[in-house]
Amino acid sequence: AQSVTQLDSQVPVFEEAPVELRCNYSSSVSVYLFWYVQYPNQGLQLLLKYLSGSTLVKGINGFEAEFNKSQTSFHLRKPSVHISDTAEYFCAARETSGSRLTFGEGTQLTVNP
Amino acid sequence: DTEVTQTPKHLVMGMTNKKSLKCEQHMGHRAMYWYKQKAKKPPELMFVYSYEKLSINESVPSRFSPECPNSSLLNLHLHALQPEDSALYLCASSQGPQRGAGGYTQYFGPGTRLTVL
Repeated sequence: AQSVTQLDSQVPVFEEAPVELRCNYSSSVSVYLFWYVQYPNQGLQLLLKYLSGSTLVKGINGFEAEFNKSQTSFHLRKPSVHISDTAEYFCAARETSGSRLTFGEGTQLTVNP
Repeated sequence: DTEVTQTPKHLVMGMTNKKSLKCEQHMGHRAMYWYKQKAKKPPELMFVYSYEKLSINESVPSRFSPECPNSSLLNLHLHALQPEDSALYLCASSQGPQRGAGGYTQYFGPGTRLTVL
């Protein structure tokens, strides 16, 4: 069975500061990895995904993530955040042979002026 | 285009009512999903349809009844719900495994906010 751990439940930062949201996964088999963002009262929007290939993945809205197999991590980064990035961020994993998406508990990113 | 639409956006119902949630996608995706999300929690999988057949039921109570009339449409029929069923109900779709690794990427709709009185 796989599991996903988001190490920080809340991350407050100031506008234009860099941010890193941490995600670790545990699985005995290969996985695909995803980051989703959820703005208040909305559904989940795909930010980026790692399926194979380059370990540095670029997504929408200036976000990027790096897959580290040895550390079983998939941390999300942005060099300079905006107020509009305030949202809940979910890391998710799916076994390459499975059909279920396993989510982390989420990280609330709050960007302050 | 990666749009999944859901109607209604909000729904308030009594415990004796019967209502339905609707989800639609026109991306040619062959897998569709229902999730339930409580406040400040990640989505929880309820049902998976693959090629219009129910492939996963996560031991969901029978007061929730899914239906997939065709490859573009997914319904969730609700009957005799309890107040604890109040939540955001999310629909998602993915291309399916025939499209390789990318086929597993799930795209979510905006959700239906359900309140059971």
